[in-house]
Amino acid sequence: DQQVKQNSPSLSVQEGRISILNCDYTNSMFDYFLWYKKYPAEGPTFLISISSIKDKNEDGRFTVFLNKSAKHLSLHIVPSQPGDSAVYFCAAIVGGNEKLTFGTGTRLTIIP
Amino acid sequence: KAGVTQTPRYLIKTRGQQVTLSCSPISGHRSVSWYQQTPGQGLQFLFEYFSETQRNKGNFPGRFSGRQFSNSRSEMNVSTLELGDSALYLCASSPGNSGNTIYFGEGSWLTVV
Repeated sequence: DQQVKQNSPSLSVQEGRISILNCDYTNSMFDYFLWYKKYPAEGPTFLISISSIKDKNEDGRFTVFLNKSAKHLSLHIVPSQPGDSAVYFCAAIVGGNEKLTFGTGTRLTIIP
Repeated sequence: KAGVTQTPRYLIKTRGQQVTLSCSPISGHRSVSWYQQTPGQGLQFLFEYFSETQRNKGNFPGRFSGRQFSNSRSEMNVSTLELGDSALYLCASSPGNSGNTIYFGEGSWLTVV
């Protein structure tokens, strides 16, 4: 049972425009969410996180939105840059637990 | 501040052998977790250690084991290797309190032939 889902395997966005990556989850016990960026053969790099007590968190070009009622979160990257091309994973944690449950990833390609 | 360090980065083993992978967490971090990434199964949680005790375990067979030392460094071992164990093994470190960021190492690429 896939508790965290990223329904778009791939996304292409023009350089300078907004990239929006989506993630849905089914487990209502999840209360902390993280986004990671990953290149092939490397470890995931942490981008941004959000606690379930918030609905938005911003860090530079990255903003994460959380809609608890819809069990949905999204990552916005503005403006998109060529270096943003990578696979993006959302991950979720149940409180008091360090176990990350990952989505299947979305491959983002920024078109120059 | 040094990041999460994993060794070795690449290794090739033969079916039936065993392998040990090592991880040094970020200084001050007491929680170390291990993940397996394969093309078919994505990123899957193996186990987590905190203060030398296994605190969480994923759905992997007993051939996969780990331990943590008093300095928080961790090792994972896979015995009786199978072809399907070929994967990127990732170590993650965090302070160990929920709500903290979890950082990953570069991973150890294991190929079983």
